[in-house]
Amino acid sequence: SQQGEEDPQALSIQEGENATMNCSYKTSINNLQWYRQNSGRGLVHLILIRSNEREKHSGRLRVTLDTSKKSSSLLITASRAADTASYFCATDGHSSASKIIFGSGTRLSIRP
Amino acid sequence: DTAVSQTPKYLVTQMGNDKSIKCEQNLGHDTMYWYKQDSKKFLKIMFSYNNKELIINETVPNRFSPKSPDKAHLNLHINSLELGDSAVYFCASSQDIGDYGYTFGSGTRLTVV
Repeated sequence: SQQGEEDPQALSIQEGENATMNCSYKTSINNLQWYRQNSGRGLVHLILIRSNEREKHSGRLRVTLDTSKKSSSLLITASRAADTASYFCATDGHSSASKIIFGSGTRLSIRP
Repeated sequence: DTAVSQTPKYLVTQMGNDKSIKCEQNLGHDTMYWYKQDSKKFLKIMFSYNNKELIINETVPNRFSPKSPDKAHLNLHINSLELGDSAVYFCASSQDIGDYGYTFGSGTRLTVV
């Protein structure tokens, strides 16, 4: 079963705008990760945020985590055409750190 | 150098055949995984190995048999292929179990006809 659910399923924005994607999950976690997948390629790890962290930054990416609401958001600022991809959140199970379970993904399209 | 490499990239085969997909990582990671991505882009864990030891087997049919000859390699053998096995199979590795990001291979697109 899917642990994480991304919202929205698809997002189309103008280049230069900010993109926000949300992820909700069901069980307690040790960490939550965000990945990017370009069409026909493998997944690329973007950020890992631990359950005791609330916010993390990496370049134009900002991830927040609210464990009370079991949700996370990924913000991409000043979007570029190269950001067009699918974005997945993934969570480990609190009692099973030996695997991560992926959400269904958000397809992000950046219009030039 | 490719960090996680899978071969072949594409595999087209007939129902009933047996095929293998190979995966190698040169990152020195202890843990390796196989994931299956279906046509709707859902990614599901299949197997996980830590230091050559199987730690996860997610209700995968026993036609699928992973083999880890050493911690840098995790191969996937599939017997008696079925139409429903068509998918993209991704190999991944992580430094260890726990708070580590995964490095994924570029995937093997398997088409069963």
